Amino acid sequence: AIRMTQSPSSFSASTGDRVTITCRASQGISSYLAWYQQKPGKAPKLLIYAASTLQSGVPSRFSGSGSGTDFTLTISCLQSEDFATYYCQQYYSYPPLTFGQGTRLEIK
Amino acid sequence: QVQLVESGGGVVQPGGSLRLSCAASGFTFSSYGMHWVRQAPGKGLEWVAFIRYDGSNKYYADSVKGRFTISRDNSKNTLYLQMNSLRAEDTAVYYCAKDIGERGPLYYFDYWGQGTLVTVSS
Repeated sequence: AIRMTQSPSSFSASTGDRVTITCRASQGISSYLAWYQQKPGKAPKLLIYAASTLQSGVPSRFSGSGSGTDFTLTISCLQSEDFATYYCQQYYSYPPLTFGQGTRLEIK
Repeated sequence: QVQLVESGGGVVQPGGSLRLSCAASGFTFSSYGMHWVRQAPGKGLEWVAFIRYDGSNKYYADSVKGRFTISRDNSKNTLYLQMNSLRAEDTAVYYCAKDIGERGPLYYFDYWGQGTLVTVSS
């Protein structure tokens, strides 16, 4: 199974900040990577697929990049509603589909 | 609008069984693959199982293979997860999730249900 490792596991930031979350795959996955946002008590929400394609309705302050083994999710100007946990997921090799362990973004 | 509504969760003893259901609406259910994804309390997401739009192909995580069975009834727009030989480590919120690919799965998820909690405890 392909292992997905996110960093950091958690961190604090302020509204208006630019933040970057990293996801690393244990082997190359081309661009077969999705990012999700999850708020407490809620289901995950798809943000980005194919490493850099924004899902319909997702604000343009979210962006993704990378290919192969290293990927990033960037939020250009944090809003209050962006404080949540973020997960990457590879869909290059299955089964199993695998997620990163999550990155919890908290308000500073 | 797309809606996925899970049901069937609850408390069950180790070794017991439970069947989860996911009622789908707002899209052509019979054209999309479907997944189950779970989340243990305070933990991350774990993919559990997938079924192709027509039920012809199924995949499972190693952790549930041989114990869980995914199925669907396209006439009822409903997805199922039969869970047998349940263990404490199966305790989680179980989400059904729609594959984004029509007919041909792409293996990521554009809609999720609200989840149903399964607790395995004596």
